Amino acid sequence: TQLLEQSPQFLSIQEGENLTVYCNSSSVFSSLQWYRQEPGEGPVLLVTVVTGGEVKKLKRLTFQFGDARKDSSLHITAAQPGDTGLYLCAGGRTGTASKLTFGTGTRLQVTL
Amino acid sequence: GAVVSQHPSWVICKSGTSVKIECRSLDFQATTMFWYRQFPKQSLMLMATSNEGSKATYEQGVEKDKFLINHASLTLSTLTVTSAHPEDSSFYICSARDGRGNNQPQHFGDGTRLSIL
Repeated sequence: TQLLEQSPQFLSIQEGENLTVYCNSSSVFSSLQWYRQEPGEGPVLLVTVVTGGEVKKLKRLTFQFGDARKDSSLHITAAQPGDTGLYLCAGGRTGTASKLTFGTGTRLQVTL
Repeated sequence: GAVVSQHPSWVICKSGTSVKIECRSLDFQATTMFWYRQFPKQSLMLMATSNEGSKATYEQGVEKDKFLINHASLTLSTLTVTSAHPEDSSFYICSARDGRGNNQPQHFGDGTRLSIL
C-alpha cells in the first residue's frame, strides 16, 4: 500500500515554466525528504524537512512541509532541462528504525 | 558528502544462478542499510532493513530465503538473490543511513540492474 501519493504522475513542460509537485498522505510523518532520480541511478537527496510549516529553498527549488506534517510540496521556478528526472518524496516516522516510505513519484520532463 | 557504492551496476545471468550485490558506505559507518527494489517507471519499494551484526528485517511479502542479506561490518551489506528467475529481474538499490537518529538522511547507491534470462 502506497501511503504517499504524488501528483501529478507525469509532467512535461517547456524551459522557463514554473511547476509544483504535491506529496500527500493521511498519515503524519516526523520527517519528509525529497529525492531526484535519473535513469539508471540511485535517488539523490535534495532536502529534508522536519517541522510542520517549514519552508526550505534550494536555488530555484522551494520545499514546504505541511503544518500537520501530512503533506509536502516542491515548487520549481523557471525549470531547466537539467531538472528532468523522477522526483520522489519519502516520509519517515519516529520509532520505525528510520525506514522511509516512498511516494508514487513524479516524472518531470523539461524541454527546450 | 556521504558516498554509497553499489556493485555490480549491471548483471545478466541465466535462470537458476545466484547473484550477490554489494553495498558499501565509503566515508561513513552505517549501522543500518536498506535494500529496495524498483520496477520500470515505478517508485522504490523497501525489501528489507539490514542491521550490522544482526538478522535483517524483511518487509511483508519479501521471501527471506530468496533474498539473503548479510551485514557483516559497519560499511558493507550484501544482498544475494538465490536461484534467480526472470521475475526477479529488476533494479535493486541500497541505501545507508549516516548516523543515528530518525531524521538522519539515507544515502543511496547507484543501483544494480539485474536481468535474468
